[in-house]
Amino acid sequence: EADIYQTPRYLVIGTGKKITLECSQTMGHDKMYWYQQDPGMELHLIHYSYGVNSTEKGDLSSESTVSRIRTEHFPLTLESARPSHTSQYLCASSGTGAGANVLTFGAGSRLTVL
Amino acid sequence: KNQVEQSPQSLIILEGKNCTLQCNYTVSPFSNLRWYKQDTGRGPVSLTIMTFSENTKSNGRYTATLDADTKQSSLHITASQLSDSASYICVVSLRNKLIFGAGTRLAVHP
Repeated sequence: EADIYQTPRYLVIGTGKKITLECSQTMGHDKMYWYQQDPGMELHLIHYSYGVNSTEKGDLSSESTVSRIRTEHFPLTLESARPSHTSQYLCASSGTGAGANVLTFGAGSRLTVL
Repeated sequence: KNQVEQSPQSLIILEGKNCTLQCNYTVSPFSNLRWYKQDTGRGPVSLTIMTFSENTKSNGRYTATLDADTKQSSLHITASQLSDSASYICVVSLRNKLIFGAGTRLAVHP
């Protein structure tokens, strides 16, 4: 079944650790996105990619980095996690044509940095 | 400034009752407006998407309306169920950019 998958769903780590949040989609979508969402707050775009080897920063400044080596894979990395990085991170993708306007979201990765 | 404001911030209703959630936006130029449902701890799921020329769109018990002149949209939920408990997010598209509202948190009680 075509879908978008995020791992881990929950992660609790100590300050200074390096973490990678994985995101994979099986829908063949070219566009992929990372959003950050604090509890009860709106989603903020932190990274997006329109295709392989294409990555851009979003509206909200983030210390995280992303890569897009394969169409289906869009991991997010924090080299040195800090408590301020505690948040929910949502990955999304969208297609082209009529599907370009509809984002499909993953279930999210909730990160807690102690 | 391009903004999307949603009201109320939170709402509690009894199972079986109807409710209406509001979305006001100042985004211009406007491409389309979407409503998403986000269950706690999950990613948002698309309910409806409306373009400038559409006034209403339904998805089961969910009916969205759009008034592009007043820049207002509403999401009406009919005969609410416990599973409707979630956050409902209004998203307005500005060219290739999406502007998210903070959402309305709906709780349906038995």
